[in-house]
Amino acid sequence: LAKTTQPISMDSYEGQEVNITCSHNNIATNDYITWYQQFPSQGPRFIIQGYKTKVTNEVASLFIPADRKSSTLSLPRVSLSDTAVYYCLVGAVNNAGNMLTFGGGTRLMVKP
Amino acid sequence: DGGITQSPKYLFRKEGQNVTLSCEQNLNHDAMYWYRQDPGQGLRLIYYSQIVNDFQKGDIAEGYSVSREKKESFPLTVTSAQKNPTAFYLCASSIRADFGEQYFGPGTRLTVT
Repeated sequence: LAKTTQPISMDSYEGQEVNITCSHNNIATNDYITWYQQFPSQGPRFIIQGYKTKVTNEVASLFIPADRKSSTLSLPRVSLSDTAVYYCLVGAVNNAGNMLTFGGGTRLMVKP
Repeated sequence: DGGITQSPKYLFRKEGQNVTLSCEQNLNHDAMYWYRQDPGQGLRLIYYSQIVNDFQKGDIAEGYSVSREKKESFPLTVTSAQKNPTAFYLCASSIRADFGEQYFGPGTRLTVT
């Protein structure tokens, strides 16, 4: 079971790039890495998913080194509305059982 | 609009009562999930279902029960056996259980006194 570790909190200022790293030393060969954003009293929202190297979409980039034991979510030029909790999720559930692990989340505070 | 809905948004119950939380999706997803979130904490998996008429326990299934009689619906019952039922409950679905992003509902905040 892949256990994930993230920083509990991070502070940033508007316009800066923010990088949040997730450690997942026991990641399995078939596991994907997915990041979610959650605002208070709402369900999490998908940000990005990747397997290796680099993935980029309109809101973020995901960097995964060759050993896949960690991943870094990069948010370019954050704004106040990016203040939220960010979760790293590794694995999935399948016929072999539950191999789905949400990290404890990183609380990002963006300041003006 | 396609999406996943949960009802009600807020639910209050007396201790000792069973309560059922609704979760419906019209995304044609095979997999559905229930999570529990306590204040300031991450998400913990209660139950999941990969296909109709099949479901498996997650990490904290004790005191909960589910059914999956229809592809669109995955209700969660919080029984009186659940010692600390007050929490924020989130339902999610995905195309397949072993791949794909999860789409989350808005959540149900359950308070038991």
